[in-house]
Amino acid sequence: EVQLVESGGGLVQPGRSLRLSCAASGFSFDDYAMHWVRQVPGKGLEWVSRISWNSGSIDYVDSVKGRFTISRDNGRNFLYLQMSSLREEDTALYYCVKDMDGSGINPHDAFDFWGQGTMVIVSS
Amino acid sequence: EVVLTQSPAIVSVSPGERATLSCRTSQNINTYLAWYQQKPGQAPRLLIYDASNRATGIPARFSGSGSGTDFTLTISSLEPEDFAVYFCQQRYLWPPNTFGGGTKVEIK
Repeated sequence: EVQLVESGGGLVQPGRSLRLSCAASGFSFDDYAMHWVRQVPGKGLEWVSRISWNSGSIDYVDSVKGRFTISRDNGRNFLYLQMSSLREEDTALYYCVKDMDGSGINPHDAFDFWGQGTMVIVSS
Repeated sequence: EVVLTQSPAIVSVSPGERATLSCRTSQNINTYLAWYQQKPGQAPRLLIYDASNRATGIPARFSGSGSGTDFTLTISSLEPEDFAVYFCQQRYLWPPNTFGGGTKVEIK
Protein backbone atom coordinates (compact mmCIF):
# COMPACT_ATOMS: atom_id res chain seq x y z
CA GLU A 1 0.00 0.00 0.00
CA VAL A 2 1.34 3.39 -1.01
CA GLN A 3 1.77 5.73 1.93
CA LEU A 4 2.93 9.33 1.91
CA VAL A 5 3.26 10.94 5.33
CA GLU A 6 4.10 14.62 5.55
CA SER A 7 5.56 16.39 8.56
CA GLY A 8 7.25 19.64 9.49
CA GLY A 9 4.38 22.09 9.18
CA GLY A 10 3.50 24.62 11.82
CA LEU A 11 3.16 28.28 12.71
CA VAL A 12 6.04 30.45 11.53
CA GLN A 13 6.64 34.19 11.32
CA PRO A 14 6.95 35.94 7.97
CA GLY A 15 10.50 35.87 6.67
CA ARG A 16 11.43 32.71 8.55
CA SER A 17 12.13 29.24 7.22
CA LEU A 18 10.53 25.82 7.50
CA ARG A 19 11.40 22.39 6.14
CA LEU A 20 8.70 19.94 5.16
CA SER A 21 9.38 16.22 4.93
CA CYS A 22 7.47 13.38 3.32
CA ALA A 23 8.11 9.74 4.18
CA ALA A 24 7.20 7.44 1.30
CA SER A 25 6.54 3.72 1.45
CA GLY A 26 4.79 0.96 -0.43
CA PHE A 27 6.36 1.63 -3.84
CA SER A 28 9.75 1.99 -5.50
CA PHE A 29 10.32 5.58 -4.50
CA ASP A 30 13.34 6.05 -6.75
CA ASP A 31 11.33 5.18 -9.87
CA TYR A 32 8.87 8.06 -9.66
CA ALA A 33 8.77 11.81 -9.80
CA MET A 34 7.32 13.58 -6.79
CA HIS A 35 5.54 16.89 -6.29
CA TRP A 36 4.40 19.31 -3.64
CA VAL A 37 0.90 20.73 -4.08
CA ARG A 38 -0.68 23.20 -1.69
CA GLN A 39 -4.22 24.18 -0.84
CA VAL A 40 -5.64 26.98 1.22
CA PRO A 41 -8.42 25.28 3.23
CA GLY A 42 -11.69 25.58 1.36
CA LYS A 43 -9.96 26.77 -1.81
CA GLY A 44 -8.41 25.25 -4.91
CA LEU A 45 -5.21 23.32 -5.55
CA GLU A 46 -1.91 24.93 -6.49
CA TRP A 47 1.03 22.93 -7.76
CA VAL A 48 4.23 24.10 -6.08
CA SER A 49 7.17 22.02 -7.25
CA ARG A 50 8.28 18.87 -9.07
CA ILE A 51 11.37 16.70 -8.81
CA SER A 52 12.16 13.86 -11.21
CA TRP A 53 13.11 10.39 -10.05
CA ASN A 54 16.84 11.13 -10.02
CA SER A 55 16.63 14.82 -9.03
CA GLY A 56 17.86 15.68 -12.50
CA SER A 57 14.87 17.84 -13.38
CA ILE A 58 13.19 20.29 -11.01
CA ASP A 59 10.46 22.90 -11.47
CA TYR A 60 8.75 25.50 -9.31
CA VAL A 61 5.73 27.72 -9.59
CA ASP A 62 6.88 31.30 -10.15
CA SER A 63 5.64 32.53 -6.76
CA VAL A 64 8.11 30.32 -4.86
CA LYS A 65 11.14 30.42 -7.16
CA GLY A 66 14.23 31.48 -5.29
CA ARG A 67 12.58 30.84 -1.92
CA PHE A 68 11.66 27.13 -1.93
CA THR A 69 13.93 24.17 -2.68
CA ILE A 70 12.69 20.67 -3.39
CA SER A 71 14.93 17.68 -2.83
CA ARG A 72 14.75 13.95 -2.29
CA ASP A 73 16.74 11.18 -0.64
CA ASN A 74 16.16 7.98 -2.60
CA GLY A 75 18.18 5.95 -0.12
CA ARG A 76 15.84 6.87 2.72
CA ASN A 77 12.63 7.32 0.66
CA PHE A 78 12.10 10.92 1.69
CA LEU A 79 10.94 14.01 -0.15
CA TYR A 80 11.67 17.49 1.21
CA LEU A 81 10.62 21.07 0.70
CA GLN A 82 12.87 23.72 2.19
CA MET A 83 10.89 26.93 2.45
CA SER A 84 12.59 30.23 3.22
CA SER A 85 11.54 33.88 3.26
CA LEU A 86 8.03 32.71 4.00
CA ARG A 87 5.12 35.01 3.29
CA GLU A 88 1.58 35.08 4.62
CA GLU A 89 0.37 33.97 1.20
CA ASP A 90 2.31 30.71 1.62
CA THR A 91 -0.18 29.70 4.30
CA ALA A 92 -1.75 26.44 3.12
CA LEU A 93 -2.00 22.70 3.55
CA TYR A 94 0.98 21.18 1.74
CA TYR A 95 0.52 17.79 0.10
CA CYS A 96 3.25 15.37 -0.91
CA VAL A 97 2.19 13.79 -4.19
CA LYS A 98 3.43 10.84 -6.25
CA ASP A 99 3.50 11.00 -10.03
CA MET A 100 2.64 8.05 -12.27
CA ASP A 101 5.85 8.71 -14.20
CA GLY A 102 9.54 9.01 -13.45
CA SER A 103 9.99 12.40 -15.08
CA GLY A 104 6.77 13.90 -13.80
CA ILE A 105 6.05 15.57 -17.11
CA ASN A 106 4.64 12.74 -19.22
CA PRO A 107 1.45 14.36 -20.51
CA HIS A 108 -0.47 11.09 -20.45
CA ASP A 109 0.03 10.62 -16.72
CA ALA A 110 -1.20 12.26 -13.50
CA PHE A 111 -0.79 12.42 -9.73
CA ASP A 112 -1.84 9.01 -8.50
CA PHE A 113 -1.27 9.19 -4.75
CA TRP A 114 -1.50 12.03 -2.26
CA GLY A 115 -0.51 12.30 1.37
CA GLN A 116 -2.84 13.81 3.97
CA GLY A 117 -0.91 17.05 4.06
CA THR A 118 0.88 19.20 6.62
CA MET A 119 -0.40 22.66 7.49
CA VAL A 120 1.84 25.69 7.22
CA ILE A 121 0.67 28.94 8.78
CA VAL A 122 2.72 32.05 8.19
CA SER A 123 1.68 34.78 10.58
CA SER A 124 3.18 37.29 12.95
CA GLU B 1 0.11 29.27 -18.57
CA VAL B 2 -2.93 27.14 -19.35
CA VAL B 3 -6.04 28.36 -17.52
CA LEU B 4 -8.71 25.80 -16.63
CA THR B 5 -12.29 26.92 -16.06
CA GLN B 6 -14.68 24.51 -14.40
CA SER B 7 -18.44 24.81 -14.52
CA PRO B 8 -20.74 24.95 -12.81
CA ALA B 9 -19.15 25.95 -9.53
CA ILE B 10 -21.83 24.01 -7.67
CA VAL B 11 -24.23 21.41 -9.01
CA SER B 12 -27.12 19.96 -7.01
CA VAL B 13 -27.99 16.38 -7.88
CA SER B 14 -30.18 13.70 -6.32
CA PRO B 15 -28.71 10.27 -5.55
CA GLY B 16 -29.14 8.01 -8.55
CA GLU B 17 -29.12 10.88 -11.02
CA ARG B 18 -26.42 11.74 -13.56
CA ALA B 19 -23.94 14.56 -12.96
CA THR B 20 -22.05 16.24 -15.79
CA LEU B 21 -19.08 18.45 -14.94
CA SER B 22 -17.24 20.64 -17.42
CA CYS B 23 -13.63 21.74 -17.67
CA ARG B 24 -12.55 24.18 -20.39
CA THR B 25 -8.94 25.10 -21.07
CA SER B 26 -7.51 28.32 -22.46
CA GLN B 27 -5.63 26.46 -25.18
CA ASN B 28 -5.62 23.12 -26.92
CA ILE B 29 -4.21 20.49 -24.54
CA ASN B 30 -4.94 17.38 -26.63
CA THR B 31 -6.20 14.76 -24.16
CA TYR B 32 -3.74 15.66 -21.41
CA LEU B 33 -6.27 16.19 -18.65
CA ALA B 34 -6.89 14.52 -15.30
CA TRP B 35 -9.79 14.62 -12.87
CA TYR B 36 -9.58 14.38 -9.07
CA GLN B 37 -12.18 13.96 -6.34
CA GLN B 38 -11.77 15.58 -2.94
CA LYS B 39 -14.03 14.88 0.02
CA PRO B 40 -14.08 17.13 3.10
CA GLY B 41 -11.01 16.64 5.26
CA GLN B 42 -9.39 14.30 2.76
CA ALA B 43 -6.67 14.54 0.16
CA PRO B 44 -7.60 14.53 -3.52
CA ARG B 45 -7.97 11.16 -5.24
CA LEU B 46 -7.16 10.52 -8.88
CA LEU B 47 -10.23 9.49 -10.90
CA ILE B 48 -9.37 9.93 -14.57
CA TYR B 49 -6.13 10.55 -16.47
CA ASP B 50 -5.44 11.28 -20.11
CA ALA B 51 -9.02 12.54 -20.41
CA SER B 52 -10.75 9.17 -20.38
CA ASN B 53 -8.69 6.54 -18.54
CA ARG B 54 -10.06 5.49 -15.17
CA ALA B 55 -7.47 5.18 -12.44
CA THR B 56 -7.04 1.93 -10.57
CA GLY B 57 -10.04 1.06 -8.41
CA ILE B 58 -12.31 3.80 -9.75
CA PRO B 59 -15.89 2.62 -10.36
CA ALA B 60 -17.24 2.45 -13.88
CA ARG B 61 -19.90 5.07 -13.10
CA PHE B 62 -17.11 7.66 -13.48
CA SER B 63 -16.21 8.48 -17.06
CA GLY B 64 -14.21 11.18 -18.73
CA SER B 65 -14.37 12.50 -22.26
CA GLY B 66 -13.16 15.33 -24.43
CA SER B 67 -10.10 16.65 -26.19
CA GLY B 68 -8.69 19.97 -27.25
CA THR B 69 -10.26 22.56 -24.97
CA ASP B 70 -13.51 20.97 -23.77
CA PHE B 71 -13.65 18.13 -21.29
CA THR B 72 -16.39 16.42 -19.33
CA LEU B 73 -16.53 14.24 -16.25
CA THR B 74 -19.72 12.24 -16.01
CA ILE B 75 -20.97 10.38 -12.96
CA SER B 76 -23.67 8.16 -14.36
CA SER B 77 -25.65 7.42 -11.20
CA LEU B 78 -24.61 9.30 -8.09
CA GLU B 79 -23.90 7.33 -4.95
CA PRO B 80 -23.90 9.01 -1.52
CA GLU B 81 -20.11 8.81 -1.38
CA ASP B 82 -19.77 10.78 -4.65
CA PHE B 83 -20.81 14.09 -3.12
CA ALA B 84 -17.52 15.95 -3.13
CA VAL B 85 -15.47 18.58 -4.96
CA TYR B 86 -13.99 17.66 -8.32
CA PHE B 87 -10.91 19.29 -9.85
CA CYS B 88 -9.45 19.04 -13.33
CA GLN B 89 -5.72 19.37 -14.07
CA GLN B 90 -3.78 19.83 -17.29
CA ARG B 91 -0.56 17.98 -18.15
CA TYR B 92 0.09 19.63 -21.51
CA LEU B 93 2.15 22.68 -20.71
CA TRP B 94 4.13 23.30 -17.57
CA PRO B 95 5.46 24.63 -15.37
CA PRO B 96 3.15 25.50 -13.85
CA ASN B 97 1.00 22.44 -13.66
CA THR B 98 -2.43 24.02 -13.35
CA PHE B 99 -5.74 22.99 -11.83
CA GLY B 100 -9.27 24.19 -12.36
CA GLY B 101 -11.13 25.97 -9.58
CA GLY B 102 -13.30 22.96 -8.80
CA THR B 103 -16.95 21.92 -8.98
CA LYS B 104 -18.83 20.98 -5.86
CA VAL B 105 -21.39 18.22 -6.27
CA GLU B 106 -23.97 18.58 -3.54
CA ILE B 107 -27.07 16.66 -2.59
CA LYS B 108 -30.28 18.06 -4.01
